[in-house]
Amino acid sequence: KAGVTQTPRYLIKTRGQQVTLSCSPISGHRSVSWYQQTPGQGLQFLFEYFSETQRNKGNFPGRFSGRQFSNSRSEMNVSTLELGDSALYLCASSLDRGTGTSPLHFGNGTRLTVT
Amino acid sequence: KNEVEQSPQNLTAQEGEFITINCSYSVGISALHWLQQHPGGGIVSLFMLSSGKKKHGRLIATINIQEKHSSLHITASHPRDSAVYICAVGTDSWGKLQFGAGTQVVVTP
Repeated sequence: KAGVTQTPRYLIKTRGQQVTLSCSPISGHRSVSWYQQTPGQGLQFLFEYFSETQRNKGNFPGRFSGRQFSNSRSEMNVSTLELGDSALYLCASSLDRGTGTSPLHFGNGTRLTVT
Repeated sequence: KNEVEQSPQNLTAQEGEFITINCSYSVGISALHWLQQHPGGGIVSLFMLSSGKKKHGRLIATINIQEKHSSLHITASHPRDSAVYICAVGTDSWGKLQFGAGTQVVVTP
């Protein structure tokens, strides 16, 4: 069974641009969540989706947005990029439907560099 | 103040030694996760706990809900165990996690 796939693996963008990252969950998983990892702040929760609905959003500005499609694939978008958005963006999927009883499966991440 | 505290921040052990990493949290949780991250970034979920103790190979994870504390033990450590170990707690949903700062473990031959 294929794991969680994130594309692209690496991305370099300029301040002010926007970026879209993609996450394909494990087949059959309908729950997808996104996280940002930086050296200063560590890992932080961004979004959580189940069946195309955003169930939770972390404490990030409105420049960060996301969505989930009917095939459970998810995208996140960051507009008007800032230097501080440089980070590893990780996606995870799960069979869970809200009970918190299923493990998470992480992708390898997309490393975004903003110059 | 981070609601999930891990200790130690760094740990160096010789091959074969017993390793313990601790995690304390201050919120009510639905589950606690232990994660492993190797250089390059990929994260592997080692354990998900809501009570008691779990064992997988040389790894053991315990949780005490009353004391809001969990430990990850590595028995007979090996250089391939060198990684960052991260504790994360879920509160009101499966994916909305709060993370500890991580423990960098180095196991020398």
